[in-house]
Amino acid sequence: EADIYQTPRYLVIGTGKKITLECSQTMGHDKMYWYQQDPGMELHLIHYSYGVNSTEKGDLSSESTVSRIRTEHFPLTLESARPSHTSQYLCASTYFNEQFFGPGTRLTVL
Amino acid sequence: AQTVTQSQPEMSVQEAETVTLSCTYDTSESDYYLFWYKQPPSRQMILVIRQEAYKQQNATENRFSVNFQKAAKSFSLKISDSQLGDAAMYFCAYRTFTSGTYKYIFGTGTRLKVLA
Repeated sequence: EADIYQTPRYLVIGTGKKITLECSQTMGHDKMYWYQQDPGMELHLIHYSYGVNSTEKGDLSSESTVSRIRTEHFPLTLESARPSHTSQYLCASTYFNEQFFGPGTRLTVL
Repeated sequence: AQTVTQSQPEMSVQEAETVTLSCTYDTSESDYYLFWYKQPPSRQMILVIRQEAYKQQNATENRFSVNFQKAAKSFSLKISDSQLGDAAMYFCAYRTFTSGTYKYIFGTGTRLKVLA
Protein backbone atom coordinates (compact mmCIF):
# COMPACT_ATOMS: atom_id res chain seq x y z
CA GLU A 1 0.00 0.00 0.00
CA ALA A 2 1.05 3.58 -0.63
CA ASP A 3 2.63 5.70 2.10
CA ILE A 4 -0.14 8.18 2.66
CA TYR A 5 -1.48 8.69 6.15
CA GLN A 6 -4.52 10.33 7.65
CA THR A 7 -5.27 11.13 11.26
CA PRO A 8 -7.49 10.77 13.07
CA ARG A 9 -9.20 7.77 11.50
CA TYR A 10 -12.42 8.46 13.39
CA LEU A 11 -13.58 11.68 15.01
CA VAL A 12 -16.78 12.52 16.85
CA ILE A 13 -17.10 16.15 17.76
CA GLY A 14 -19.68 18.70 18.83
CA THR A 15 -21.13 21.47 16.70
CA GLY A 16 -19.07 24.64 16.56
CA LYS A 17 -15.70 23.06 17.24
CA LYS A 18 -12.67 23.77 15.08
CA ILE A 19 -11.05 20.66 13.69
CA THR A 20 -8.07 19.82 11.51
CA LEU A 21 -7.81 16.61 9.57
CA GLU A 22 -4.23 15.63 8.93
CA CYS A 23 -2.86 14.13 5.73
CA SER A 24 0.74 13.34 4.99
CA GLN A 25 2.63 11.39 2.36
CA THR A 26 6.23 10.30 2.22
CA MET A 27 6.47 9.84 -1.52
CA GLY A 28 7.34 13.42 -2.43
CA HIS A 29 4.30 13.82 -4.66
CA ASP A 30 3.45 17.36 -5.72
CA LYS A 31 -0.25 16.88 -6.41
CA MET A 32 -2.55 16.20 -3.50
CA TYR A 33 -6.33 16.07 -3.18
CA TRP A 34 -9.11 16.04 -0.61
CA TYR A 35 -12.34 14.21 -1.36
CA GLN A 36 -15.59 14.02 0.57
CA GLN A 37 -17.41 10.70 0.42
CA ASP A 38 -20.71 9.83 2.04
CA PRO A 39 -21.05 6.11 2.90
CA GLY A 40 -21.36 3.99 -0.22
CA MET A 41 -21.40 7.01 -2.47
CA GLU A 42 -19.11 8.61 -5.01
CA LEU A 43 -16.14 10.80 -4.19
CA HIS A 44 -16.45 14.55 -4.55
CA LEU A 45 -13.34 16.68 -4.94
CA ILE A 46 -13.29 19.54 -2.41
CA HIS A 47 -9.67 20.76 -2.56
CA TYR A 48 -6.49 20.12 -4.48
CA SER A 49 -2.93 21.32 -4.54
CA TYR A 50 -0.30 21.44 -7.28
CA GLY A 51 2.52 21.82 -4.80
CA VAL A 52 3.80 23.97 -1.96
CA ASN A 53 1.82 27.19 -1.47
CA SER A 54 -0.64 26.19 -4.20
CA THR A 55 -4.22 25.25 -3.32
CA GLU A 56 -7.50 25.35 -5.22
CA LYS A 57 -11.12 24.62 -4.44
CA GLY A 58 -12.60 21.55 -6.03
CA ASP A 59 -15.91 20.92 -7.72
CA LEU A 60 -17.94 20.45 -4.55
CA SER A 61 -18.45 23.56 -2.48
CA SER A 62 -16.98 23.11 0.97
CA GLU A 63 -16.67 25.31 4.04
CA SER A 64 -13.30 23.77 4.79
CA THR A 65 -9.90 25.29 4.06
CA VAL A 66 -6.55 23.70 3.29
CA SER A 67 -2.90 24.66 3.39
CA ARG A 68 0.25 23.31 1.76
CA ILE A 69 3.32 24.63 3.51
CA ARG A 70 5.32 21.44 3.02
CA THR A 71 5.20 18.96 0.14
CA GLU A 72 4.39 16.06 2.41
CA HIS A 73 1.64 17.73 4.46
CA PHE A 74 -1.86 18.78 3.33
CA PRO A 75 -4.16 19.43 6.30
CA LEU A 76 -7.84 20.27 6.02
CA THR A 77 -9.50 22.58 8.56
CA LEU A 78 -13.10 23.19 9.50
CA GLU A 79 -13.38 26.40 11.53
CA SER A 80 -16.80 25.56 12.93
CA ALA A 81 -18.04 22.01 12.50
CA ARG A 82 -21.72 21.38 11.74
CA PRO A 83 -23.77 18.19 11.48
CA SER A 84 -23.85 18.68 7.69
CA HIS A 85 -20.08 18.10 7.70
CA THR A 86 -20.58 14.52 8.84
CA SER A 87 -18.93 12.41 6.16
CA GLN A 88 -15.77 10.55 5.26
CA TYR A 89 -12.82 12.60 4.07
CA LEU A 90 -10.25 10.97 1.83
CA CYS A 91 -6.84 12.40 1.08
CA ALA A 92 -4.93 11.37 -2.04
CA SER A 93 -1.75 12.12 -3.89
CA THR A 94 -0.92 11.57 -7.52
CA TYR A 95 2.21 10.54 -9.32
CA PHE A 96 2.15 10.11 -13.07
CA ASN A 97 -0.90 8.02 -13.83
CA GLU A 98 -1.81 6.71 -10.42
CA GLN A 99 -3.67 8.24 -7.52
CA PHE A 100 -2.85 6.92 -4.06
CA PHE A 101 -5.41 7.19 -1.28
CA GLY A 102 -5.13 7.47 2.44
CA PRO A 103 -7.32 5.38 4.74
CA GLY A 104 -9.76 8.24 5.31
CA THR A 105 -11.13 10.11 8.30
CA ARG A 106 -14.69 9.36 9.28
CA LEU A 107 -16.08 12.54 10.83
CA THR A 108 -19.28 12.73 12.85
CA VAL A 109 -20.51 16.11 14.06
CA LEU A 110 -23.16 15.97 16.73
CA ALA B 1 -18.07 18.44 -18.60
CA GLN B 2 -17.04 14.85 -18.20
CA THR B 3 -19.34 12.41 -16.45
CA VAL B 4 -18.95 8.83 -15.29
CA THR B 5 -21.93 6.53 -14.87
CA GLN B 6 -22.09 3.20 -13.09
CA SER B 7 -25.57 1.83 -13.55
CA GLN B 8 -25.23 -1.16 -11.22
CA PRO B 9 -25.45 -0.12 -7.55
CA GLU B 10 -24.90 -3.71 -6.45
CA MET B 11 -23.77 -6.98 -7.99
CA SER B 12 -23.39 -10.49 -6.65
CA VAL B 13 -21.16 -13.28 -7.89
CA GLN B 14 -20.54 -16.81 -6.78
CA GLU B 15 -17.03 -17.61 -5.65
CA ALA B 16 -14.85 -18.78 -8.57
CA GLU B 17 -17.28 -17.35 -11.13
CA THR B 18 -16.84 -14.35 -13.41
CA VAL B 19 -18.56 -10.99 -13.04
CA THR B 20 -18.57 -7.84 -15.16
CA LEU B 21 -19.07 -4.36 -13.76
CA SER B 22 -20.28 -1.66 -16.15
CA CYS B 23 -19.08 1.88 -16.59
CA THR B 24 -19.88 4.48 -19.21
CA TYR B 25 -18.50 7.96 -19.50
CA ASP B 26 -19.00 11.09 -21.49
CA THR B 27 -16.20 13.28 -22.80
CA SER B 28 -15.15 15.34 -25.75
CA GLU B 29 -11.45 14.69 -25.13
CA SER B 30 -9.54 12.26 -27.31
CA ASP B 31 -6.74 11.38 -24.93
CA TYR B 32 -7.46 10.44 -21.34
CA TYR B 33 -7.09 7.75 -18.72
CA LEU B 34 -9.70 5.51 -17.17
CA PHE B 35 -9.37 3.67 -13.88
CA TRP B 36 -11.08 1.11 -11.72
CA TYR B 37 -10.59 1.51 -7.98
CA LYS B 38 -11.49 -0.95 -5.24
CA GLN B 39 -12.60 0.18 -1.79
CA PRO B 40 -12.92 -2.72 0.67
CA PRO B 41 -15.05 -2.12 3.77
CA SER B 42 -13.22 0.19 6.16
CA ARG B 43 -10.02 -0.12 4.16
CA GLN B 44 -7.95 2.02 1.85
CA MET B 45 -9.01 2.60 -1.74
CA ILE B 46 -6.58 0.99 -4.15
CA LEU B 47 -6.08 1.04 -7.89
CA VAL B 48 -7.21 -2.13 -9.65
CA ILE B 49 -6.47 -1.34 -13.27
CA ARG B 50 -6.01 1.59 -15.64
CA GLN B 51 -6.47 2.11 -19.35
CA GLU B 52 -4.96 4.72 -21.63
CA ALA B 53 -7.47 5.88 -24.20
CA TYR B 54 -5.00 5.91 -27.08
CA LYS B 55 -4.18 2.25 -26.51
CA GLN B 56 -6.56 -0.09 -28.28
CA GLN B 57 -5.42 -3.13 -26.35
CA ASN B 58 -7.49 -3.83 -23.26
CA ALA B 59 -5.58 -3.66 -19.98
CA THR B 60 -5.19 -6.80 -17.89
CA GLU B 61 -3.95 -7.34 -14.35
CA ASN B 62 -4.05 -10.98 -13.30
CA ARG B 63 -7.74 -11.84 -12.76
CA PHE B 64 -8.89 -8.33 -13.66
CA SER B 65 -9.39 -7.16 -17.21
CA VAL B 66 -11.26 -4.39 -18.95
CA ASN B 67 -13.35 -4.14 -22.07
CA PHE B 68 -12.62 -0.67 -23.38
CA GLN B 69 -14.88 0.49 -26.18
CA LYS B 70 -13.75 4.01 -27.00
CA ALA B 71 -16.40 4.80 -29.59
CA ALA B 72 -19.15 3.63 -27.26
CA LYS B 73 -17.47 5.33 -24.28
CA SER B 74 -17.72 2.15 -22.30
CA PHE B 75 -15.21 0.78 -19.82
CA SER B 76 -16.32 -2.41 -18.09
CA LEU B 77 -14.34 -4.42 -15.55
CA LYS B 78 -14.28 -8.22 -15.67
CA ILE B 79 -13.25 -10.15 -12.59
CA SER B 80 -12.47 -13.80 -13.27
CA ASP B 81 -12.31 -16.58 -10.68
CA SER B 82 -13.92 -14.31 -8.07
CA GLN B 83 -12.58 -14.59 -4.55
CA LEU B 84 -14.09 -13.61 -1.21
CA GLY B 85 -11.48 -10.87 -0.95
CA ASP B 86 -12.88 -9.23 -4.07
CA ALA B 87 -15.93 -8.09 -2.11
CA ALA B 88 -15.79 -4.29 -2.07
CA MET B 89 -17.09 -1.11 -3.62
CA TYR B 90 -15.70 -0.61 -7.10
CA PHE B 91 -15.41 2.87 -8.54
CA CYS B 92 -14.84 3.75 -12.16
CA ALA B 93 -12.90 6.98 -12.64
CA TYR B 94 -11.96 9.28 -15.48
CA ARG B 95 -8.91 11.53 -15.40
CA THR B 96 -9.15 14.92 -17.02
CA PHE B 97 -6.68 17.77 -17.29
CA THR B 98 -8.32 21.02 -16.37
CA SER B 99 -7.31 24.29 -14.74
CA GLY B 100 -3.69 23.27 -14.93
CA THR B 101 -3.95 19.98 -13.09
CA TYR B 102 -5.31 16.48 -13.32
CA LYS B 103 -8.71 15.86 -11.77
CA TYR B 104 -10.40 12.54 -11.27
CA ILE B 105 -14.13 12.12 -11.78
CA PHE B 106 -15.64 9.14 -10.03
CA GLY B 107 -18.79 7.15 -10.69
CA THR B 108 -21.26 6.33 -7.93
CA GLY B 109 -19.74 2.91 -7.38
CA THR B 110 -20.87 -0.70 -7.56
CA ARG B 111 -20.97 -2.82 -4.43
CA LEU B 112 -19.76 -6.32 -5.26
CA LYS B 113 -20.79 -9.20 -3.05
CA VAL B 114 -19.02 -12.53 -3.38
CA LEU B 115 -21.04 -15.53 -2.29
CA ALA B 116 -19.29 -18.57 -0.84
